[in-house]
Amino acid sequence: KAGVTQTPRYLIKTRGQQVTLSCSPISGHRSVSWYQQTPGQGLQFLFEYFSETQRNKGNFPGRFSGRQFSNSRSEMNVSTLELGDSALYLCASSLAFGSQETQYFGPGTRLLVL
Amino acid sequence: GNSVTQMEGPVTLSEEAFLTINCTYTATGYPSLFWYVQYPGEGLQLLLKATKADDKGSNKGFEATYRKETTSFHLEKGSVQVSDSAVYFCALSDPDPIVRDMRFGAGTRLTVKP
Repeated sequence: KAGVTQTPRYLIKTRGQQVTLSCSPISGHRSVSWYQQTPGQGLQFLFEYFSETQRNKGNFPGRFSGRQFSNSRSEMNVSTLELGDSALYLCASSLAFGSQETQYFGPGTRLLVL
Repeated sequence: GNSVTQMEGPVTLSEEAFLTINCTYTATGYPSLFWYVQYPGEGLQLLLKATKADDKGSNKGFEATYRKETTSFHLEKGSVQVSDSAVYFCALSDPDPIVRDMRFGAGTRLTVKP
């Protein structure tokens, strides 16, 4: 079974731009979560989607948003990019939403904001 | 709130040495506990997990036991290999089953020398 895939793997943007990242979950998994990983803050939870609905949300500003499609694929959008948004963005999928479901991570999208 | 504290690295060991990476947690209720591993340039891979007190998770020679009395989930391996060089993350999931908000430790970088 194919793992979680994320595209693109690398991205360079400038301040003020917006960016959209894509995640395809493991086949049959209906929940997708997004995380931001930075050297300073470590791994932080952004949000979780299940059945096209946001189920959980971390403590990030409204510039960070996401959506999920009927095939469970998810996109994450960051508007008005700031230098501090440079990070590795990880997507994880699980069969269902919530803390009892084990998450499987993709390789990440590395975003550099100049 | 929920949190995870793991020993700071980096940790450098010789091949076949014994490995312990300490992890303690703070949470109300009974969270599930995880160890993830991240190899250079990759996302996180689930190494092992435990969902209730006294459970022992194991995989690829790594073990960790969920200790409720000491709120710990230390990772151990009897004989490390060069291929074990990676960053290891301890994590917990919220005891509330419908809440995602997985919390990660800061990560411990392990380097194993031949």
